[in-house]
Amino acid sequence: GENVEQHPSTLSVQEGDSAVIKCTYSDSASNYFPWYKQELGKRPQLIIDIRSNVGEKKDQRIAVTLNKTAKHFSLHITETQPEDSAVYFCAASKPGGSEKLVFGKGTKLTVNP
Amino acid sequence: EAGVTQFPSHSVIEKGQTVTLRCDPISGHDNLYWYRRVMGKEIKFLLHFVKESKQDESGMPNNRFLAERTGGTYSTLKVQPAELEDSGVYFCASSRLGLETQYFGPGTRLLVL
Repeated sequence: GENVEQHPSTLSVQEGDSAVIKCTYSDSASNYFPWYKQELGKRPQLIIDIRSNVGEKKDQRIAVTLNKTAKHFSLHITETQPEDSAVYFCAASKPGGSEKLVFGKGTKLTVNP
Repeated sequence: EAGVTQFPSHSVIEKGQTVTLRCDPISGHDNLYWYRRVMGKEIKFLLHFVKESKQDESGMPNNRFLAERTGGTYSTLKVQPAELEDSGVYFCASSRLGLETQYFGPGTRLLVL
């Protein structure tokens, strides 16, 4: 079955710096890759997603890139702010069947003021 | 639009007891998923309903877990009898048919002592 690896497990940056989180997946049939942000004690919130027919997607300070050949995708956050501090999860799913999400283990991002 | 709701938010029970978790999906969402995050690990898929039917229950750990979705609306997940390793956060998510975006509930934190 699908396996998603996520790195790093923790990331600490200074406010204003960029943060990059990387994920790899194993199943070439996967075609949907969402990123969720979970603040302490709150629900996972979808922040951006990408489908396999595009290589990059951007939404303000957040961007996601996808390399289908290498089977990896990355989250880029620019001009980080303290409120970006949270745990970020990448996930992958493939069409047909349940379209369940297979998650990475999460990255705890800390943005220091 | 109201989000996914879950009840209770926390539950502390003793080994051997029974606990029932409830999830109310977003109105109109036929897909309903259950996931679980054991401390420090990734969010893992448990099962998927389409309306009242179980589409995929490949992630259910064993027969101590029973999920239902009567009438295709809310869902319950019962653990009977609970074991120590069942502790974790149980998330519910819902989505519309044909759309991958899954919206998560706040989770139920289960602690089995």
